[in-house]
Amino acid sequence: NAGVTQTPKFRVLKTGQSMTLLCAQDMNHEYMYWYRQDPGMGLRLIHYSVGEGTTAKGEVPDGYNVSRLKKQNFLLGLESAAPSQTSVYFCASSYVASGRDEQYFGPGTRLTVT
Amino acid sequence: KNEVEQSPQNLTAQEGEFITINCSYSVGISALHWLQQHPGGGIVSLFMLSSGKKKHGRLIATINIQEKHSSLHITASHPRDSAVYICAARPHTSGTYKYIFGTGTRLKVLA
Repeated sequence: NAGVTQTPKFRVLKTGQSMTLLCAQDMNHEYMYWYRQDPGMGLRLIHYSVGEGTTAKGEVPDGYNVSRLKKQNFLLGLESAAPSQTSVYFCASSYVASGRDEQYFGPGTRLTVT
Repeated sequence: KNEVEQSPQNLTAQEGEFITINCSYSVGISALHWLQQHPGGGIVSLFMLSSGKKKHGRLIATINIQEKHSSLHITASHPRDSAVYICAARPHTSGTYKYIFGTGTRLKVLA
């Protein structure tokens, strides 16, 4: 099993450009998450999904959109990138049941917006 | 004030030392996780706790729900333990599985 994969691993964008980050998991998890990690701050939730076709806003959703058309994939879109979106982005997935609640993280995508 | 706070922020230890990292939280929670982030950036889950104590190899995690406090201990520390350790609390919020993350404790173990 590949677990959680993210593409791309690195990207440099100019202000105003758009891009999509892809997250894929092969563990049949219902829940998927997108986080950003910035120096001196904890991981912050951007958007999450509790199942195919559903998405919800997290703590810092502005400037981002998401889609979950297939259970195994969770896409994060930046429509018009801004320097404030320079960050490391992590995707995670989880299987939640009684007594089991563990998040599996992807390797991260380092995004720089100039 | 963050709802999840960790201490210390940075920690340097000599190989073999016993290490303790602390996590305090201010919200009611249903679970607390300890995560490890390696220098390359990858994040792995070490423990999930809802009560008591768990042990895995040289790692021990404890939680005191009444005091809203958890600790991660590393016995006989080794340079390969060098990483950022993150605690994440899952609040009592019906129907969601969102977490609040601490800012992490950067551990460096010297040979």
